[in-house]
Amino acid sequence: GAGVSQSPSNKVTEKGKDVELRCDPISGHTALYWYRQRLGQGLEFLIYFQGNSAPDKSGLPSDRFSAERTGESVSTLTIQRTQQEDSAVYLCASSLVVGPTEAFFGQGTRLTVV
Amino acid sequence: AQSVTQPDIHITVSEGASLELRCNYSYGATPYLFWYVQSPGQGLQLLLKYFSGDTLVQGIKGFEAEFKRSQSSFNLRKPSVHWSDAAEYFCAVATWGGSQGNLIFGKGTKLSVKP
Repeated sequence: GAGVSQSPSNKVTEKGKDVELRCDPISGHTALYWYRQRLGQGLEFLIYFQGNSAPDKSGLPSDRFSAERTGESVSTLTIQRTQQEDSAVYLCASSLVVGPTEAFFGQGTRLTVV
Repeated sequence: AQSVTQPDIHITVSEGASLELRCNYSYGATPYLFWYVQSPGQGLQLLLKYFSGDTLVQGIKGFEAEFKRSQSSFNLRKPSVHWSDAAEYFCAVATWGGSQGNLIFGKGTKLSVKP
């Protein structure tokens, strides 16, 4: 597609439920990032995929968070047993090649846990 | 370790006044530097980037930034701010791999514009 697409754009879920957030990167982009942005806060790195290499999961805040990516295509971020502190905007970005290059961001998924 | 520091959390300027947002980076090699803007409820949009060459780079919406290697800085400037510039601004450095992949972001500077 023309840009990075994220779905859903908004998600309201009950505490304790699992949620799946989806990211469609720009076609051909080998790198994909997930970030969390709490209200009024900066970007919090969660996870990074680069081609077929093992993902860098160093930013995942707990074992309730996981992410998958099939090859260089769609990625899903899964949050199990959601808590109210998981409420945030989850941003996905992709970039073309290995190494220093600009990243393109999706519009984000706003997650609200009630 | 690579890092990006934006010393100002929140800045307020009057419409029509000049603007400078500060960014300092820590990276051993030649940095690739970016400024992104995030308007309320939106994703991040690239304002400008520096890879090499002229150290003064022009971006969209009338913004420019100057790379100063001696100061490890990449400050964003605009001569005359418009009310629509109110947003959050993020500085980033792209690297050859690191603890967070290839992109390191600062914590952001929120810009408010007074009429």
